[in-house]
Amino acid sequence: EVQLVESGGNLVQPGGSLRLSCVASGFTFNNYWVHWVRQGPGKGLVWVSRISSDGTSTSYADSVKGRFTISRDNAKNTVYLQMDSLRAEDTAIYYCTTRGGGSSRFDPWGQGTVVTVSS
Amino acid sequence: AIQMTQSPSSLSASVGDRVTITCRASQDIRNDFGWYQQKPGKAPKLLIYAASSLQSGVPSRFSGSGSGTDFTLTISSLQPEDSATYYCLQDYTYPPTFGQGTKVEIK
Repeated sequence: EVQLVESGGNLVQPGGSLRLSCVASGFTFNNYWVHWVRQGPGKGLVWVSRISSDGTSTSYADSVKGRFTISRDNAKNTVYLQMDSLRAEDTAIYYCTTRGGGSSRFDPWGQGTVVTVSS
Repeated sequence: AIQMTQSPSSLSASVGDRVTITCRASQDIRNDFGWYQQKPGKAPKLLIYAASSLQSGVPSRFSGSGSGTDFTLTISSLQPEDSATYYCLQDYTYPPTFGQGTKVEIK
């Protein structure tokens, strides 16, 4: 079964750090670019970051640039999102997804992991 | 960043109705465009990619059309399980951007 599973979400104080993980199974993970998308409480979907299949190219939303770092370990079929200097506005469900062949073809998606930034 | 404007923001329709949701991009995005369905408490699900290609396993009552700046998602015969929020997405340029969502309710 093709699957992505996120983990690492938690309650953290403003200014703190978290590392999210996204583990893939059921497909050749190292062929795909991986993206993180987040959704604040009651809000819409917002793209956060992406990493190329070999990990040499990354991109970030302006809102997280300089605070978040995306990386991957293809030997472990895992992508990470290191989140530093967290703010209340980073509170969201974080989803990972892969972009397949075809424009705007993001599939599959993980179930999401919840990050809450609050004192 | 490219702005994606969806309309309407919500709608209520009966089972069997034909439903249309539109999305307009702030600039030409060719066909680098997709539609996603999200049910409460669930991850988004891909319905349509490349503006009009139906994702495998998605019912044929869903269809997409458009190119350039104007795009449409059509549900030909609304079913109870189609109650959800629908989002459009462009990835013509970075950052990829989503529409604000259209909530579809069943009367």
